[in-house]
Amino acid sequence: KAGVTQTPRYLIKTRGQQVTLSCSPISGHRSVSWYQQTPGQGLQFLFEYFSETQRNKGNFPGRFSGRQFSNSRSEMNVSTLELGDSALYLCASSWTRGRVTEAFFGQGTRLTVV
Amino acid sequence: KNQVEQSPQSLIILEGKNCTLQCNYTVSPFSNLRWYKQDTGRGPVSLTIMTFSENTKSNGRYTATLDADTKQSSLHITASQLSDSASYICVVSPYSGGYQKVTFGTGTKLQVIP
Repeated sequence: KAGVTQTPRYLIKTRGQQVTLSCSPISGHRSVSWYQQTPGQGLQFLFEYFSETQRNKGNFPGRFSGRQFSNSRSEMNVSTLELGDSALYLCASSWTRGRVTEAFFGQGTRLTVV
Repeated sequence: KNQVEQSPQSLIILEGKNCTLQCNYTVSPFSNLRWYKQDTGRGPVSLTIMTFSENTKSNGRYTATLDADTKQSSLHITASQLSDSASYICVVSPYSGGYQKVTFGTGTKLQVIP
């Protein structure tokens, strides 16, 4: 069974540009979450989608947006990039069965803004 | 509000020594707690998962404990190795039936030095 796939793995953008990151969850998983991870901040929650609907949103500016498609694949978009947006962006897909929810992470996309 | 707090934020230990990482949570009702290991620049990988009825679970040199009454968990690493250098993230899932949202701690960064 394939794991969570994030593309691209590495990305370099310049300030002011926009970027779109992609996440393909494990087959059958309907929930996808996005996180920003920087050395000093740890994992910061961006947003979570379930069945194409945004269920939760973290405390990030409106430049950060996302969406989920009918096949559960998700994209995250960051517009007007700033130097501080340089980070590892992680996607996690999860499923719930009975009392247990399990979340699995992708390898992340390393975004560098120059 | 569901929260997961980890301590310490960072830790440096000598190779061969033991260490214990802490995770306190307020997630309720509780379903399960998972410890992840994240190597620098890579996605987190699951080490162990514990449900309400489990007190201790081991995975090689890693032993996780859970006290559901005090809402505390610990991850004990025995005879540390240089490869244990990573961030360790505690993730807690609530039980509510149907859709669930996992709550992530910000992690403990462990550095094992020779």
